[in-house]
Amino acid sequence: DAKTTQPNSMESNEEEPVHLPCNHSTISGTDYIHWYRQLPSQGPEYVIHGLTSNVNNRMASLAIAEDRKSSTLILHRATLRDAAVYYCILRIGAGSYQLTFGKGTKLSVIP
Amino acid sequence: KAGVTQTPRYLIKTRGQQVTLSCSPISGHRSVSWYQQTPGQGLQFLFEYFSETQRNKGNFPGRFSGRQFSNSRSEMNVSTLELGDSALYLCASSLTTGELSYEQYFGPGTRLTVT
Repeated sequence: DAKTTQPNSMESNEEEPVHLPCNHSTISGTDYIHWYRQLPSQGPEYVIHGLTSNVNNRMASLAIAEDRKSSTLILHRATLRDAAVYYCILRIGAGSYQLTFGKGTKLSVIP
Repeated sequence: KAGVTQTPRYLIKTRGQQVTLSCSPISGHRSVSWYQQTPGQGLQFLFEYFSETQRNKGNFPGRFSGRQFSNSRSEMNVSTLELGDSALYLCASSLTTGELSYEQYFGPGTRLTVT
């Protein structure tokens, strides 16, 4: 299985941008990069996904390196509600929908 | 639109017993996946069902099984419960499977405690 590496934890001040890094050096050409987050006492929540190009949605932006060996999830203005564990996941492009979660990054937001 | 619902939310069982957990996906969603979450192992994929067929299975013993009904509702069963089966069991649904599907919606989970 393709693996991802993320920092265990990060801190951010409220209303400041947050850059959450993820290394995935063993990614293959058809692997999608997904980000999910899990708020306390809730199931994971989809954030964003991409294959090769940078992606934006209402929640976040995803910047993918040109060689695809790393990516960065960008929260443009952190709020207290963004405090969660963020998971960077590689998903095989074909076949069934299976997510392999790593340890994730625990993001703390300081008021 | 109602989200993914799981029943029951909490369950206490004794070693050796069996348990059945239920998941109702979002209306119109045909794929249902199950995950186990523990403090030590994190989130681990159990299996995925699509159109009543198991599409993929994670690395769990045969005591863990599941099925999906024609209305896309799914159940998972764990037989001969062990203490290590204590976990949060999460169900997730998506419109379809494979390359065409990119977002899974998770339910709140069922907290199973085995004593």
